[in-house]
Parts: sequence; C-alpha cells; structure tokens
Amino acid sequence: DTAVSQTPKYLVTQMGNDKSIKCEQNLGHDTMYWYKQDSKKFLKIMFSYNNKELIINETVPNRFSPKSPDKAHLNLHINSLELGDSAVYFCASSQELRGAENTEAFFGQGTRLTVV
Amino acid sequence: AQSVSQHNHHVILSEAASLELGCNYSYGGTVNLFWYVQYPGQHLQLLLKYFSGDPLVKGIKGFEAEFIKSKFSFNLRKPSVQWSDTAEYFCAVIPRGGYQKVTFGTGTKLQVIP
Repeated sequence: DTAVSQTPKYLVTQMGNDKSIKCEQNLGHDTMYWYKQDSKKFLKIMFSYNNKELIINETVPNRFSPKSPDKAHLNLHINSLELGDSAVYFCASSQELRGAENTEAFFGQGTRLTVV
Repeated sequence: AQSVSQHNHHVILSEAASLELGCNYSYGGTVNLFWYVQYPGQHLQLLLKYFSGDPLVKGIKGFEAEFIKSKFSFNLRKPSVQWSDTAEYFCAVIPRGGYQKVTFGTGTKLQVIP
C-alpha cells in the first residue's frame, strides 16, 4: 500500500481553468503538507495542516486553496490557473506538528501540472 | 528561519569516481537531517536520514553521509558512482521544536558519464 498517494499523477489544463489535486495518507499522521517544485527543481513548502487546521501558509496566492476534509486527506484546489503554476506538486505527511527527534516527512509521488 | 545550502549545483563524474556533495544548514537549534534523491521524471526518494547518535549514517544504494555539528554540515558521499546514480540530490532539514516543515536545499544535479 502506498503511504502517501496523490491523484492525478499528470494534469494538463488550459489557462483560466480550475483544477484539484487530491492527497491521501494511510500512515495515521496528524500533519500534512503541500510542496511545490518549480522548473528549476527548487522545492518549497506551500501549506501545512494539522488535524484539519491550517498551520503554515507560505505566502501562496489565494487562488490556491487547500481543503482538509479529515486528517488523512489534504486536497489542493487551484482557481484561474496561470502558466506560472506549471510545476510538480508534492503532498507529504508527518507524525508530529512540531519537529521532534525521529520526525520525518513522507512524500507522495508528485503531480506534474502543466498549464497551456 | 532555517536555510540549507548546496554549493554544487551541477556535478559531472565518470563511472567509478568517488562522490561528495556538500550541504550546510543554518539554524540555531537541533535539526533532523535528510538526503533525498530524485531520478529524472520521478518522485522524491529518501536516501538517508540523521536524527542523533553516530554522525556517520549509511543509506540505500551505497550512500552515506556525515554530520559535523561544528560545521553545520551534512555531506553526502559514495565511494564509486554508477551511471544509474544520475539524478538530482536534495539535502533537507527539519528543525526540532518549531512548527515542523522540511526546508530543502536548491539541489545538486549529478550526471554520471559511462
């Protein structure tokens, strides 16, 4: 069983559309994240949620809206897609909200979003 | 805020050469340290991690890393690289105590020539 799974793996869409990426973890973790990897391979956190509550929002445009229906799911909805949104989006989860010894993040396989 | 520096942006090696990729972090407290690998078109895979104890950690595929606390460094090494090691390598940290988030370095692209 995949610990952190994202769907879809690939997403090609036109500018102006609205799209969602889904993420589910079966690890029983309380904390989930979205990371963005840009064309230069730079990875940066976008959001973190703990028990369905938003904890970190790293100055992401408000066209991006995460939704956490329960602590095992963190979906990313993007409105009015722009060319610059093309990237690989990674979902992740971890056991702890606050860093502790043995804390690590488990990553999904990524969703490659291409906006044309 | 913590930051991670990887000074080697692109490394080209011949097969069987030894590899060392540098990683330095900036953070006043204790951190958990990681190296991830991303093969072309693939997702992130954990190579190795360090939480505490022996500062020399061994990971998968023959990789190892050494934590030197006084230098805030966590360099990745492999004695003999293979063509299949061609990938992007990311150093990352998670600080202890604060809201947990992974901070990544900018990555090092390793190209191994047969």
